[in-house]
Amino acid sequence: GQSLEQPSEVTAVEGAIVQINCTYQTSGFYGLSWYQQHDGGAPTFLSYNALDGLEETGRFSSFLSRSDSYGYLLLQELQMKDSASYFCAVPSNTDKLIFGTGTRLQVFP
Amino acid sequence: DAGVIQSPRHEVTEMGQEVTLRCKPISGHDYLFWYRQTMMRGLELLIYFNNNVPIDDSGMPEDRFSAKMPNASFSTLKIQPSEPRDSAVYFCASSSDRYEQYFGPGTRLTVT
Repeated sequence: GQSLEQPSEVTAVEGAIVQINCTYQTSGFYGLSWYQQHDGGAPTFLSYNALDGLEETGRFSSFLSRSDSYGYLLLQELQMKDSASYFCAVPSNTDKLIFGTGTRLQVFP
Repeated sequence: DAGVIQSPRHEVTEMGQEVTLRCKPISGHDYLFWYRQTMMRGLELLIYFNNNVPIDDSGMPEDRFSAKMPNASFSTLKIQPSEPRDSAVYFCASSSDRYEQYFGPGTRLTVT
């Protein structure tokens, strides 16, 4: 089977750096994706890692270690608008995405 | 492109009524997914289609739920009869690969 684990909640202050971790168990591995969802909104794609290492996109970076079945999303220079839920997700061998339970990030002024 | 379009955005209905949710995927996307999201159960995949063909409906909770995709630009999710426990936000998403899905704005369903 496949499962993903994330912390349920993370808090931080504006301007800080926060890391949201994700560990996964999969029968096959095709990469790790991250999605952001604001309250009342829809999930939106942030990033995808197929290979080990760090991928940077502006203030957001995503890291993958396939040997550790682990990845994280790094958010820098936090802003109030970053308050949202963040989901890691892995594609299955049947092309569907398996989503984690989500991490709720609260950014305080 | 306008993105994934869902209708209605909000639906309030009484228990026992039929509910039909509609989705128009992004043009050119081969995959269409229906999800349900609640606080208790998180984001659940109900069913997905590839090239209009249902591939995996193992997430459909029971026979009251059915989904169709008659063509590449339209899909429906139907609940008949609806029950209060079906109250949730239903998302439709489309994609052209297995990594990046584009979600519609969702339909917030309330069954009283």
